[in-house]
This record gives sequence, structure tokens and C-alpha cells, in this order.
Amino acid sequence: DAGVTQSPTHLIKTRGQHVTLRCSPISGHKSVSWYQQVLGQGPQFIFQYYEKEERGRGNFPDRFSARQFPNYSSELNVNALLLGDSALYLCASSRDTKSHEQFFGPGTRLTVL
Amino acid sequence: DAKTTQPPSMDCAEGRAANLPCNHSTISGNEYVYWYRQIHSQGPQYIIHGLKNNETNEMASLIITEDRKSSTLILPHATLRDTAVYYCIPLSSGSARQLTFGSGTQLTVLP
Repeated sequence: DAGVTQSPTHLIKTRGQHVTLRCSPISGHKSVSWYQQVLGQGPQFIFQYYEKEERGRGNFPDRFSARQFPNYSSELNVNALLLGDSALYLCASSRDTKSHEQFFGPGTRLTVL
Repeated sequence: DAKTTQPPSMDCAEGRAANLPCNHSTISGNEYVYWYRQIHSQGPQYIIHGLKNNETNEMASLIITEDRKSSTLILPHATLRDTAVYYCIPLSSGSARQLTFGSGTQLTVLP
């Protein structure tokens, strides 16, 4: 079975631009979460979606938004990019919001110049 | 969620047991202890979780002290592929699985 997939793998943007990152969960998983991992730190929770509804939001500015589609895939959007948004963006999927195990994708490496 | 304290780094000889400690003295009664690891350039990987009993699976064993203020993850026969950052994460049973990663422990398995 395919694991969690994310696209693109790498991305370079300039300050002020916007970016869309995509995630496809494991088949049968209905919950998708997004995390940001700055170099040298642990991942930080951004959003969780379940059945197309937002179920949790971390301490991130409104420039960050996300959505989940009927097929349970998800997009993370970041507007007005700042240098500090440079990070590895990780997507994780689980069967539901109570599952003990989350499965992470390989991440999208975003560089903002 | 409870705060955690983990040593920043540890070394272990290949084939020996790796014992990774975690202090979570402020853990509440409904918080499980989860362990994830992150191999360089990969996403985190779930290892094991427990509430108050010791747990074992094909990857590792988890020992939780009786007062639940600390735990130890044991990799019984460490291999070079176990070199990774290991995160201890308390998480309540009622939460929506929003993981709070700390700094973790960088485990280096030496040949």
C-alpha cells in the first residue's frame, strides 16, 4: 500500500509570494494533519482536518490556511511568504481523530528567498 | 499537555540495547506517553505508546514508572538504521492527536 504522499518535494519561493502544498493520505484514512519543522527543531502542529472540517489549529498566523477535499486529500496554503516560513512541511494521516498512530509523509522542503 | 525532558544526545553500540529516558513529571492521569522517531530527511515514525502498563511491540519496549513521571524506550538490539531523533510525547486520550514535539534525543548507533 502507498504511504502518505506529498508534493512537491522541494520548492523555492520569494518573499511575498504564496504557496500551495499538497498531501494525499493513506487509503482509508480520513484525518490529515499538517506540521511545520524548522531546521534543528521538532515539528510544530499547524492544522488537523477530519471529514473536510477543521478539527484543530496550532499557533500560526492567518496567512496559513488549509482545506480537505471529498477524497480526503488536503492542501496547505501560505500567503505573503516570509523568510521564516522556510521549513519542512509535513503531512500526517490517520484513520480518524482518535487513532493512536499517525503516518507521516516525507515532507515538502520550502525555501523562501 | 505535559512538558517533557529528554537528553539531547546519546550513543549506543550496534547490537546493544538502547535505553532512551524521558521525564514527564507533570503528566496527567488521562495522558498517554507516545514515542516517535525521525530518521534524517524523513517524516516522523510512530514507535509505541502506553498509559501505565509496560508495552512491547516488534520495534521496541516501553517502560513507564509506577508514578508515571518518567518512561524509558528500549530498543533491544540497536542497528545502524536506528540512528534517529527520538521524541517522547504525552498526549491526552481526549485530544484530537495533535502531537507536540519537543527537542527529542539524537540517538547515534555506532558500528
